[in-house]
Amino acid sequence: DTGVSQDPRHKITKRGQNVTFRCDPISEHNRLYWYRQTLGQGPEFLTYFQNEAQLEKSRLLSDRFSAERPKGSFSTLEIQRTEQGDSAMYLCASSRDANQPQHFGDGTRLSIL
Amino acid sequence: EDQVTQSPEALRLQEGESSSLNCSYTVSGLRGLFWYRQDPGKGPEFLFTLYSAGEEKEKERLKATLTKKESFLHITAPKPEDSATYLCAAKTGANNLFFGTGTRLTVIP
Repeated sequence: DTGVSQDPRHKITKRGQNVTFRCDPISEHNRLYWYRQTLGQGPEFLTYFQNEAQLEKSRLLSDRFSAERPKGSFSTLEIQRTEQGDSAMYLCASSRDANQPQHFGDGTRLSIL
Repeated sequence: EDQVTQSPEALRLQEGESSSLNCSYTVSGLRGLFWYRQDPGKGPEFLFTLYSAGEEKEKERLKATLTKKESFLHITAPKPEDSATYLCAAKTGANNLFFGTGTRLTVIP
């Protein structure tokens, strides 16, 4: 298997700008997850998809965040009107189904100036 | 409230000096306890899943065990390449992973 791929690896933007990240899961993995990780902390769950359906959202996912997974393949995470507190590593993971382990990509590091 | 606590926060070992990392959890409806390794600037790498008390899994110098309240990651005769942050996570009935803050392991040659 090729692993989970995330793009870009790093993103620097000014406060108030919109940003979009992309995640390509492992082929044939039905579940796709987004997490956020800040320095010295473990990843925190944001949302997950079963195929193209977004089934759960964390309360961390404010209305400035939106995630999509069209056609059940790759996923995008958009943050509108970025704030300083959005600076973090955004991690994507995928799994074959609910009973299989989640495999993570190397993340997109977002820095807000 | 679901809680996963890892200790110690940081651990320095001499090469060959065995030790254990602790993960204590308080979650409702545990559906698996996961261990991951994370290198700086990288995503977590899956190591083990444990489902029931008494279960053990091994991989090279690592062995994970599970009780009803804790999990341990035993590292036998560690090498410098074992240096990383080790994360444990509880999978709850909600299907997402609830992570601890990790133990940062440094193995000195």
